[in-house]
Amino acid sequence: NAGVMQNPRHLVRRRGQEARLRCSPVKGHSHVYWYRQLPEEGLKFMVYLQKENIIDESGMPKERFSAEFPKEGPSILRIQQVVRGDSAAYFCASSPPTGGGEKLFFGSGTQLSVL
Amino acid sequence: AQKITQTQPGMFVQEKEAVTLDCTYDTSDPSYGLFWYKQPSSGEMIFLIYQGSYDQQNATEGRYSLNFQKARKSANLVISASQLGDSAMYFCAMREPGVTGGGNKLTFGTGTQLKVEL
Repeated sequence: NAGVMQNPRHLVRRRGQEARLRCSPVKGHSHVYWYRQLPEEGLKFMVYLQKENIIDESGMPKERFSAEFPKEGPSILRIQQVVRGDSAAYFCASSPPTGGGEKLFFGSGTQLSVL
Repeated sequence: AQKITQTQPGMFVQEKEAVTLDCTYDTSDPSYGLFWYKQPSSGEMIFLIYQGSYDQQNATEGRYSLNFQKARKSANLVISASQLGDSAMYFCAMREPGVTGGGNKLTFGTGTQLKVEL
């Protein structure tokens, strides 16, 4: 693990509740990415953020999902009114602001279970 | 659109033997990057190796090497001297070129489940 911290590790929500997933990137990294992994599948890109900016959200569902990366504090992926289909592993990754493109450090993921 | 194909859903290898995990990709852009990640049963994604499209030599990292054949658009992962701890899911991924902000937007394959046996 290269230092990306995600919490919680496991999150259980009932349908209709909100889920908040947190990600603290590697120190010095200002680029953050969120990926989703459905069971038996590879990771799918959701959103790419830099500090206080959403750069690319082409993989985000149009409704109920939002992400932020404030000037201070962790990046947050928020899922409102969760449904069973949101159950998945959500991974955060970070990379440095310049260069370093050859490595993308992932966190351990948050396993979201919707009952 | 970028595409990554891993045709081996599962592979078995004996301990101490070498194993090759296949990955082919499809892109029309001359500049791209290829990654391999390991995902053990605990779920985390562990970076293994990276190959840039302009790199002249095949990437190596310890027991991992990447057999990069640009003309065939393949980027196979070779694990030498397999160990029981290598049992995991392995994902090949490609960085999309020209991403706004210079970021690492990756497209992943569906993975290969490797089991190392005694």
